[in-house]
Amino acid sequence: KAGVTQTPRYLIKTRGQQVTLSCSPISGHRSVSWYQQTPGQGLQFLFEYFSETQRNKGNFPGRFSGRQFSNSRSEMNVSTLELGDSALYLCASFTGTGNYNEQFFGPGTRLTVL
Amino acid sequence: GQNIDQPTEMTATEGAIVQINCTYQTSGFNGLFWYQQHAGEAPTFLSYNVLDGLEEKGRFSSFLSRSKGYSYLLLKELQMKDSASYLCAVRDIGGGGNKLTFGTGTQLKVEL
Repeated sequence: KAGVTQTPRYLIKTRGQQVTLSCSPISGHRSVSWYQQTPGQGLQFLFEYFSETQRNKGNFPGRFSGRQFSNSRSEMNVSTLELGDSALYLCASFTGTGNYNEQFFGPGTRLTVL
Repeated sequence: GQNIDQPTEMTATEGAIVQINCTYQTSGFNGLFWYQQHAGEAPTFLSYNVLDGLEEKGRFSSFLSRSKGYSYLLLKELQMKDSASYLCAVRDIGGGGNKLTFGTGTQLKVEL
Protein backbone atom coordinates (compact mmCIF):
# COMPACT_ATOMS: atom_id res chain seq x y z
CA LYS A 1 0.00 0.00 0.00
CA ALA A 2 1.44 3.35 -1.02
CA GLY A 3 2.04 5.93 1.68
CA VAL A 4 1.06 9.57 1.85
CA THR A 5 2.56 11.59 -0.95
CA GLN A 6 3.12 15.32 -1.08
CA THR A 7 4.14 17.51 -3.97
CA PRO A 8 6.25 19.41 -4.48
CA ARG A 9 8.90 18.43 -1.93
CA TYR A 10 10.68 21.77 -2.07
CA LEU A 11 9.46 25.20 -3.09
CA ILE A 12 11.00 28.66 -3.13
CA LYS A 13 8.74 31.68 -3.43
CA THR A 14 8.98 35.41 -2.83
CA ARG A 15 6.91 37.57 -0.54
CA GLY A 16 3.49 38.41 -1.90
CA GLN A 17 3.22 35.35 -4.11
CA GLN A 18 0.82 32.50 -3.53
CA VAL A 19 1.49 28.80 -3.38
CA THR A 20 -0.51 25.57 -3.69
CA LEU A 21 0.62 22.34 -2.07
CA SER A 22 -0.83 18.93 -2.79
CA CYS A 23 -1.35 15.84 -0.67
CA SER A 24 -2.55 12.39 -1.70
CA PRO A 25 -3.61 10.26 1.28
CA ILE A 26 -3.30 6.54 1.68
CA SER A 27 -5.81 4.68 -0.43
CA GLY A 28 -9.07 4.33 1.47
CA HIS A 29 -8.32 7.13 3.91
CA ARG A 30 -10.91 9.88 3.85
CA SER A 31 -9.38 12.40 6.23
CA VAL A 32 -6.47 14.70 5.50
CA SER A 33 -4.97 17.09 8.04
CA TRP A 34 -2.42 19.79 7.38
CA TYR A 35 0.27 20.97 9.78
CA GLN A 36 2.93 23.66 9.70
CA GLN A 37 6.24 22.88 11.38
CA THR A 38 8.77 25.56 12.27
CA PRO A 39 11.75 25.41 14.65
CA GLY A 40 10.21 27.99 16.95
CA GLN A 41 6.57 26.87 17.07
CA GLY A 42 6.82 23.17 16.44
CA LEU A 43 3.97 21.35 14.72
CA GLN A 44 0.83 23.43 14.47
CA PHE A 45 -2.52 22.25 13.16
CA LEU A 46 -3.86 24.10 10.14
CA PHE A 47 -7.05 22.27 9.19
CA GLU A 48 -8.61 18.88 8.59
CA TYR A 49 -10.75 17.76 5.68
CA PHE A 50 -13.05 14.76 5.71
CA SER A 51 -15.22 13.76 2.78
CA GLU A 52 -14.58 17.07 1.03
CA THR A 53 -15.63 19.14 4.06
CA GLN A 54 -13.48 21.09 6.46
CA ARG A 55 -14.05 19.39 9.81
CA ASN A 56 -11.57 21.25 12.02
CA LYS A 57 -9.61 24.46 11.75
CA GLY A 58 -6.58 25.80 13.58
CA ASN A 59 -5.67 29.35 14.45
CA PHE A 60 -4.16 30.52 11.21
CA PRO A 61 -5.15 33.63 9.19
CA GLY A 62 -7.47 33.43 6.25
CA ARG A 63 -4.49 33.47 3.86
CA PHE A 64 -4.27 29.75 4.57
CA SER A 65 -6.99 27.75 2.92
CA GLY A 66 -7.56 24.25 1.71
CA ARG A 67 -9.89 21.90 -0.07
CA GLN A 68 -10.42 18.23 -0.63
CA PHE A 69 -11.51 16.47 -3.77
CA SER A 70 -13.82 13.51 -4.20
CA ASN A 71 -10.84 11.15 -4.44
CA SER A 72 -9.68 12.44 -0.99
CA ARG A 73 -6.67 14.26 -2.43
CA SER A 74 -6.23 17.61 -0.74
CA GLU A 75 -4.62 20.91 -1.57
CA MET A 76 -3.69 23.79 0.64
CA ASN A 77 -3.14 27.31 -0.59
CA VAL A 78 -1.28 30.18 1.00
CA SER A 79 -1.85 33.60 -0.51
CA THR A 80 0.20 36.76 -0.09
CA LEU A 81 3.18 34.88 1.26
CA GLU A 82 5.14 36.31 4.18
CA LEU A 83 8.67 35.51 5.32
CA GLY A 84 7.20 33.81 8.39
CA ASP A 85 5.41 31.28 6.21
CA SER A 86 8.72 29.56 5.58
CA ALA A 87 8.21 26.14 7.10
CA LEU A 88 7.80 22.44 6.54
CA TYR A 89 4.18 21.72 5.63
CA LEU A 90 3.08 18.23 6.53
CA CYS A 91 -0.08 16.47 5.63
CA ALA A 92 -1.39 13.43 7.42
CA SER A 93 -4.03 10.95 6.44
CA PHE A 94 -6.13 8.59 8.47
CA THR A 95 -9.22 6.54 7.99
CA GLY A 96 -11.45 9.26 9.36
CA THR A 97 -13.64 7.08 11.51
CA GLY A 98 -13.20 5.16 14.72
CA ASN A 99 -11.61 6.35 17.91
CA TYR A 100 -8.26 4.66 17.45
CA ASN A 101 -6.50 5.81 14.40
CA GLU A 102 -2.92 6.21 13.42
CA GLN A 103 -2.23 9.35 11.56
CA PHE A 104 0.29 8.76 8.79
CA PHE A 105 2.37 11.71 7.78
CA GLY A 106 3.66 12.48 4.33
CA PRO A 107 7.29 13.54 3.73
CA GLY A 108 6.33 17.22 3.73
CA THR A 109 6.84 20.21 1.48
CA ARG A 110 9.66 22.52 2.48
CA LEU A 111 8.56 26.07 1.62
CA THR A 112 11.08 28.89 1.63
CA VAL A 113 9.82 32.45 1.26
CA LEU A 114 12.42 35.02 0.22
CA GLY B 1 -7.57 25.03 24.23
CA GLN B 2 -4.62 22.77 24.85
CA ASN B 3 -1.29 23.27 26.61
CA ILE B 4 1.34 20.57 26.35
CA ASP B 5 4.70 20.50 28.13
CA GLN B 6 7.62 18.16 27.61
CA PRO B 7 11.34 18.54 28.27
CA THR B 8 13.32 20.15 25.48
CA GLU B 9 16.32 17.83 25.53
CA MET B 10 17.42 14.56 27.12
CA THR B 11 20.59 12.51 26.88
CA ALA B 12 20.89 8.81 27.59
CA THR B 13 23.35 5.97 27.12
CA GLU B 14 23.05 3.17 24.59
CA GLY B 15 21.42 0.12 26.18
CA ALA B 16 19.81 2.14 28.96
CA ILE B 17 16.18 3.06 29.64
CA VAL B 18 14.82 6.58 29.25
CA GLN B 19 11.47 8.06 30.23
CA ILE B 20 10.13 11.12 28.43
CA ASN B 21 7.37 12.91 30.29
CA CYS B 22 4.49 14.91 28.90
CA THR B 23 1.95 16.94 30.83
CA TYR B 24 -1.10 18.50 29.29
CA GLN B 25 -4.01 20.74 30.08
CA THR B 26 -6.98 20.42 27.85
CA SER B 27 -10.56 21.54 27.54
CA GLY B 28 -11.44 18.25 25.90
CA PHE B 29 -9.48 15.03 25.64
CA ASN B 30 -9.81 12.25 23.11
CA GLY B 31 -6.50 10.46 23.17
CA LEU B 32 -2.78 11.06 23.43
CA PHE B 33 -0.25 10.17 20.76
CA TRP B 34 3.51 9.80 20.72
CA TYR B 35 5.47 10.32 17.53
CA GLN B 36 9.13 9.97 16.65
CA GLN B 37 10.74 12.39 14.23
CA HIS B 38 14.24 12.08 12.88
CA ALA B 39 15.88 15.22 11.54
CA GLY B 40 14.62 16.06 8.09
CA GLU B 41 11.96 13.37 8.13
CA ALA B 42 8.23 13.19 8.78
CA PRO B 43 6.90 12.12 12.19
CA THR B 44 6.17 8.42 12.58
CA PHE B 45 3.53 7.01 14.89
CA LEU B 46 4.73 5.26 18.04
CA SER B 47 1.77 4.87 20.38
CA TYR B 48 -1.74 5.89 21.32
CA ASN B 49 -3.42 6.02 24.75
CA VAL B 50 -7.01 6.94 25.46
CA LEU B 51 -7.57 5.00 28.68
CA ASP B 52 -5.43 5.11 31.83
CA GLY B 53 -2.62 2.64 32.00
CA LEU B 54 0.35 1.30 30.16
CA GLU B 55 0.50 0.32 26.51
CA GLU B 56 3.51 -1.77 25.55
CA LYS B 57 4.87 -2.15 22.06
CA GLY B 58 8.24 -3.85 21.86
CA ARG B 59 10.96 -1.57 23.21
CA PHE B 60 8.48 1.30 23.52
CA SER B 61 5.80 1.73 26.17
CA SER B 62 3.47 4.63 26.85
CA PHE B 63 1.56 5.45 30.00
CA LEU B 64 -1.41 7.71 30.56
CA SER B 65 -3.09 9.18 33.63
CA ARG B 66 -6.06 11.27 32.56
CA SER B 67 -6.78 12.56 36.06
CA LYS B 68 -3.25 13.94 36.31
CA GLY B 69 -2.98 15.11 32.70
CA TYR B 70 0.22 13.12 32.44
CA SER B 71 1.82 10.69 30.05
CA TYR B 72 5.24 9.23 29.55
CA LEU B 73 7.03 7.36 26.82
CA LEU B 74 9.45 4.70 27.98
CA LEU B 75 12.21 3.55 25.67
CA LYS B 76 14.14 0.43 26.67
CA GLU B 77 17.42 -1.00 25.40
CA LEU B 78 18.27 2.28 23.77
CA GLN B 79 19.97 2.20 20.39
CA MET B 80 21.84 4.93 18.58
CA LYS B 81 19.05 5.08 16.00
CA ASP B 82 16.66 6.17 18.76
CA SER B 83 18.31 9.60 18.69
CA ALA B 84 15.42 11.72 17.46
CA SER B 85 12.76 14.18 18.54
CA TYR B 86 9.80 12.67 20.40
CA LEU B 87 6.52 14.48 20.09
CA CYS B 88 3.59 14.24 22.45
CA ALA B 89 0.22 15.18 20.93
CA VAL B 90 -3.29 15.42 22.35
CA ARG B 91 -6.42 14.97 20.29
CA ASP B 92 -9.21 17.42 20.91
CA ILE B 93 -12.65 16.01 21.58
CA GLY B 94 -14.35 18.81 19.72
CA GLY B 95 -15.32 18.77 16.07
CA GLY B 96 -15.62 15.01 15.89
CA GLY B 97 -12.43 14.90 13.95
CA ASN B 98 -8.74 14.49 14.24
CA LYS B 99 -7.25 17.77 15.43
CA LEU B 100 -3.97 17.09 17.21
CA THR B 101 -2.13 19.61 19.33
CA PHE B 102 1.58 18.84 19.56
CA GLY B 103 4.13 19.64 22.20
CA THR B 104 7.36 21.20 21.00
CA GLY B 105 9.13 17.86 21.20
CA THR B 106 11.91 16.31 23.27
CA GLN B 107 15.21 15.95 21.48
CA LEU B 108 16.75 12.68 22.67
CA LYS B 109 20.45 12.07 22.18
CA VAL B 110 21.71 8.54 22.68
CA GLU B 111 25.42 8.29 23.43
CA LEU B 112 27.85 5.38 23.57
